[in-house]
Amino acid sequence: GENVEQHPSTLSVQEGDSAVIKCTYSDSASNYFPWYKQELGKGPQLIIDIRSNVGEKKDQRIAVTLNKTAKHFSLHITETQPEDSAVYFCADVGGGADGLTFGKGTHLIIQP
Amino acid sequence: KAGVTQTPRYLIKTRGQQVTLSCSPISGHRSVSWYQQTPGQGLQFLFEYFSETQRNKGNFPGRFSGRQFSNSRSEMNVSTLELGDSALYLCASSLALGLDTDTQYFGPGTRLTVL
Repeated sequence: GENVEQHPSTLSVQEGDSAVIKCTYSDSASNYFPWYKQELGKGPQLIIDIRSNVGEKKDQRIAVTLNKTAKHFSLHITETQPEDSAVYFCADVGGGADGLTFGKGTHLIIQP
Repeated sequence: KAGVTQTPRYLIKTRGQQVTLSCSPISGHRSVSWYQQTPGQGLQFLFEYFSETQRNKGNFPGRFSGRQFSNSRSEMNVSTLELGDSALYLCASSLALGLDTDTQYFGPGTRLTVL
């Protein structure tokens, strides 16, 4: 993609509450939107992804929604747990040959 | 199945030197992509290799290069190192059915420090 904006940069929630991270993209040709979780000292780990022909996808406590008209997609984590604390990155793959374009990341903090 | 492995995990070099980083993809994966991660610029795409050929390239100077071998293992090289090259270099592998639909799996990265 060309540009991916991610908000918020830091998110602190109480354990058990839900967390929502939002991303917007600019490339109309983008058709694949993965989310990665990165823990300290590790590489990004894919947690869920969605393709442009689907509006929502869920995997246990994690869900992603996609609105192609508005060019935004969101990550929803329910019943947050301490192990959810990490940096989360959204990304897209656009029409150009430029690999994954990442957002700047969201530092999710789960308060006990 | 083993994940993506990268060697070395940590590296310290001085300005002007060159460095080679290695990546072994997940067994059966044919595409390897490289990314640079820095606090200021975030995660940025360097290049992608498939069948020993560079298929895509990001916006980085020619000092950054790579190659892929017949067993899909890949190396990236940075020549004439600059202080700004200090970063975490991440390798990702995918099956290579098509970059726009491929799931990319990342290795742990190589932390390069340039003094």
